[in-house]
Amino acid sequence: DARVTQTPRHKVTEMGQEVTMRCQPILGHNTVFWYRQTMMQGLELLAYFRNRAPLDDSGMPKDRFSAEMPDATLATLKIQPSEPRDSAVYFCASGLGAEASTDTQYFGPGTRLTVL
Amino acid sequence: AQSVTQLGSHVSVSEGALVLLRCNYSSSVPPYLFWYVQYPNQGLQLLLKYTSAATLVKGINGFEAEFKKSETSFHLTKPSAHMSDAAEYFCAVSSGNTPLVFGKGTRLSVIA
Repeated sequence: DARVTQTPRHKVTEMGQEVTMRCQPILGHNTVFWYRQTMMQGLELLAYFRNRAPLDDSGMPKDRFSAEMPDATLATLKIQPSEPRDSAVYFCASGLGAEASTDTQYFGPGTRLTVL
Repeated sequence: AQSVTQLGSHVSVSEGALVLLRCNYSSSVPPYLFWYVQYPNQGLQLLLKYTSAATLVKGINGFEAEFKKSETSFHLTKPSAHMSDAAEYFCAVSSGNTPLVFGKGTRLSVIA
């Protein structure tokens, strides 16, 4: 049963520290999405990639967030420096990428980030 | 720009009763519409999607949704609620080659 995996599942850190979240998309999927979920804002798209190339990262605060795909099996989301307002659940999702608009997205279990 | 409005952040039904979760969309071009479900401490998973084929779409776990262009709606229904249906449900819209835009979600509670 192919699944998207995310590590760590939980992260507690102090303000100012660097945070790195990792995602392994389903093998063969070539589209990867990063979302942030909070009670106030709901589910927000931060960035997405196709074939490892960033297509849109307009949802990310550019000064502190960065997203990369070093290879087809790993996507990373970094926050440096972290702030309390970054506390949220971060989801990674992958898809076959035939069409971004009709593609089914498969979500990982999320990383729950708490910044003190 | 496209958007989705889910009416009711929380819906409560009795076990065995009809489930109706409302979703209205806004899109300047023909939309594709989705319902995802999120169980506690899990990621989202697809329930069903409309991609311009049949307007009545059947999904997993007995759920279905009907695309009504005249009403710009894509409401989710299930004839008989089960305790295991308690979760958060998200409606989403996309069009062209743009990724999904999600609604705020509706939390469904099922009362025994």
